[in-house]
Amino acid sequence: GAGVSQSPSNKVTEKGKDVELRCDPISGHTALYWYRQSLGQGLEFLIYFQGNSAPDKSGLPSDRFSAERTGGSVSTLTIQRTQQEDSAVYLCASSLLGEPNLRGRAYTGELFFGEGSRLTVL
Amino acid sequence: SQQGEEDPQALSIQEGENATMNCSYKTSINNLQWYRQNSGRGLVHLILIRSNEREKHSGRLRVTLDTSKKSSSLLITASRAADTASYFCATVLYNNNDMRFGAGTRLTVKP
Repeated sequence: GAGVSQSPSNKVTEKGKDVELRCDPISGHTALYWYRQSLGQGLEFLIYFQGNSAPDKSGLPSDRFSAERTGGSVSTLTIQRTQQEDSAVYLCASSLLGEPNLRGRAYTGELFFGEGSRLTVL
Repeated sequence: SQQGEEDPQALSIQEGENATMNCSYKTSINNLQWYRQNSGRGLVHLILIRSNEREKHSGRLRVTLDTSKKSSSLLITASRAADTASYFCATVLYNNNDMRFGAGTRLTVKP
């Protein structure tokens, strides 16, 4: 498809197990974001990839969380030794950079979101 | 951490009325965007306003930006029951390309 694809759409796991969540961004999009959303809450920034630059990992809540983006395309978010508080919807989004400003710098434009992966840790 | 904060947290109106949601942010931005979310899944982009713009329109949507007050508002005119959703503002910071979201406004439009 032409949109952002996330898998699995739902994942139920036991406390202490590791989980991997996958995101297939729109082809050609250089930027990829992961967010976490707990029930009824806003989006919590986790990590941001832009092209070949080092990712911004400043939002990862603990060292149990890691993410990689292979070949500038597919991304995997890994949560090790899951805890009940990790239960949430994990959203992935991709985007292109917008037109450069007068200083030649391009900024993030519209984000295209996947439908999310709902993680439940029992 | 979250950058924007929406106000109010929840809004309930009758069909046909206008809905206004506000967003405040803390640091300098390059642009501000509004998104809509149904049923707690993927978000859909509504409108983007750049830091050098003051107002933008798209159909029944009107967005304003006041960089001196670090605030933005989203106006939905002639609301419909189908507008019922959560609305989020998101900011692209001036010094990087992170996009941070607020906590959202839950809008309910009663038929």
